Amino acid sequence: AQTVTQSQPEMSVQEAETVTLSCTYDTSESDYYLFWYKQPPSRQMILVIRQEAYKQQNATENRFSVNFQKAAKSFSLKISDSQLGDAAMYFCAYRSAGDDKIIFGKGTRLHILP
Amino acid sequence: KAGVTQTPRYLIKTRGQQVTLSCSPISGHRSVSWYQQTPGQGLQFLFEYFSETQRNKGNFPGRFSGRQFSNSRSEMNVSTLELGDSALYLCASSLLSNAEAFFGQGTRLTVV
Repeated sequence: AQTVTQSQPEMSVQEAETVTLSCTYDTSESDYYLFWYKQPPSRQMILVIRQEAYKQQNATENRFSVNFQKAAKSFSLKISDSQLGDAAMYFCAYRSAGDDKIIFGKGTRLHILP
Repeated sequence: KAGVTQTPRYLIKTRGQQVTLSCSPISGHRSVSWYQQTPGQGLQFLFEYFSETQRNKGNFPGRFSGRQFSNSRSEMNVSTLELGDSALYLCASSLLSNAEAFFGQGTRLTVV
């Protein structure tokens, strides 16, 4: 069975600084998708970034980028120039190409210090 | 384009009662999934519907059921509520199975 592990329950970063959130996963499949979702206090789960396993190039969305290491089964999220609005719970998630369900990690709560 | 809409936003029910939650997906989306979020267990997959058919089910007891209508709207039902069913229930829709999922704001269910 696939699993997603986020080893950092909580992190803090100074505004305008860079922070990296860690995520590892376990799967025996070769075709899958990885995601980072953000859940602010409003509870709305918002997709931050998505990575297809078959793509070697790391995905980037403005200030958000990932470091995808397929062999190591690692998928970290880097947030550059952190802003107060980035404060939220961040979930790493996995979805098999042949399945519908998303498997989530336990989440990392990110605090932005002004 | 309207997002995923879940109703109601909050519910308080008594043990033993049953509850129905509703989810309206983004227009055109045919896949609807449900997740339960609790502090202890995190986010867990309940089930997924595509074109009115349940295609996948998580590891939940039979008290949890769902359905999808021809307009892709979905309902989730929990019977004989237990205190442990207190959770945030999230619905997600996608254009196709395996495509990007968009989430609603959830229904906060409290069982007393």
